[in-house]
Amino acid sequence: GESVGLHLPTLSVQEGDNSIINCAYSNSASDYLIWYKQESGKGPQFIIDIRSNMDKRQGQRVTVLLNKTVKHLSLQIAATQPGDSAVYFCAERTGGGNKLTFGTGTQLKVEL
Amino acid sequence: GAVVSQHPSWVICKSGTSVKIECRSLDFQATTMFWYRQFPKQSLMLMATSNEGSKATYEQGVEKDKFLINHASLTLSTLTVTSAHPEDSSFYICSARDRVAFTGELFFGEGSRLTVL
Repeated sequence: GESVGLHLPTLSVQEGDNSIINCAYSNSASDYLIWYKQESGKGPQFIIDIRSNMDKRQGQRVTVLLNKTVKHLSLQIAATQPGDSAVYFCAERTGGGNKLTFGTGTQLKVEL
Repeated sequence: GAVVSQHPSWVICKSGTSVKIECRSLDFQATTMFWYRQFPKQSLMLMATSNEGSKATYEQGVEKDKFLINHASLTLSTLTVTSAHPEDSSFYICSARDRVAFTGELFFGEGSRLTVL
């Protein structure tokens, strides 16, 4: 059920700065990790993914880094823009199916 | 990318009534769809996996008789919240994967916000 008073971790950055959002995932057997962006009142939007046999992957303005040893995933956003303001979730897939387990999320706020 | 559509996007109902939410894959076929629930400032929690032509698979703690799932075609899954109560008020989101696509990317709908009075 709903937890009263729960707050998402928040990261505030200045426009133009780089952002780093971190995630600790839970299952060392997860073979596929994904970052999603969720704007208020909308569904998650795919940003970038990485397979567990990789440690880095780059996209347009975004880079995902994976440290399997400590089960840590990070999302780096270069030159953060106001449109990047949203909640960012990491998700992990375990077992080769399509069932995803989502992390707790981080609220990114871009200040002008 | 592929489009997943949910309807309605928001609904308000009285306690005790039932509400049906539709999830459609508009330009691809999906043998499997997933239903999530999200409370304010929380993460997405998987409720069930909807399988075309067979029974849904529910996650632990999710009442299958309360959250009825039907996946009658390759492009449509429905979630019915039966005898809704205020604690069922939440944001319900579905996702689907193109069954013939090479990538494993899941596409998410825009969500349906349910408010039970």
